[in-house]
Amino acid sequence: AQKVTQAQTEISVVEKEDVTLDCVYETRDTTYYLFWYKQPPSGELVFLIRRNSFDEQNEISGRYSWNFQKSTSSFNFTITASQVVDSAVYFCALTYPTGGFKTIFGAGTRLFVKA
Amino acid sequence: KAGVTQTPRYLIKTRGQQVTLSCSPISGHRSVSWYQQTPGQGLQFLFEYFSETQRNKGNFPGRFSGRQFSNSRSEMNVSTLELGDSALYLCASSAGQDRLGTDTQYFGPGTRLTVL
Repeated sequence: AQKVTQAQTEISVVEKEDVTLDCVYETRDTTYYLFWYKQPPSGELVFLIRRNSFDEQNEISGRYSWNFQKSTSSFNFTITASQVVDSAVYFCALTYPTGGFKTIFGAGTRLFVKA
Repeated sequence: KAGVTQTPRYLIKTRGQQVTLSCSPISGHRSVSWYQQTPGQGLQFLFEYFSETQRNKGNFPGRFSGRQFSNSRSEMNVSTLELGDSALYLCASSAGQDRLGTDTQYFGPGTRLTVL
């Protein structure tokens, strides 16, 4: 089965704390793509990162970093020194080719960053 | 470059009516995908259009349909509305070079549909 699990429904942190959002996926395909999106209260999904299944390099972009581990089927997202503006719902998504390249999303993790 | 635009932003309809939502992709993008977001089911893929053809389809009933015009603008139609169709409908555009997953999808602000 193709599936994306974000086990953390809500996380609350205090500003400047580091926080890691977990994402575990299941797929039978060997080629697939993983994404993270941010959805602020305005509702628009904002693209954060895309990773294909053959690229296991971790990535850092400013305060954001991603850890992709095929061995554990995980694609975790860490925010360093969180800020109030990071408060949003974060979605992990998987695009796979079986059945014609469909995209499925995890349930999302709501992050509250308190001042 | 202008982002993805969706109209209208908010819509209230009653059961049994039909509704048409519109999406204008980023200039130069040829692929448009539609998603439904509800608190209970989360984000679910509806369908994708590329060069005026439906290229991909999710598991939604036939009441949900769409089309794409030659300028890549897309419309989504829902007929015989049900209470459960109340949702945020998001449109995403991508360059659509090859496959859905090859290109990054950029999302619009969504249309919030309320069915009474």
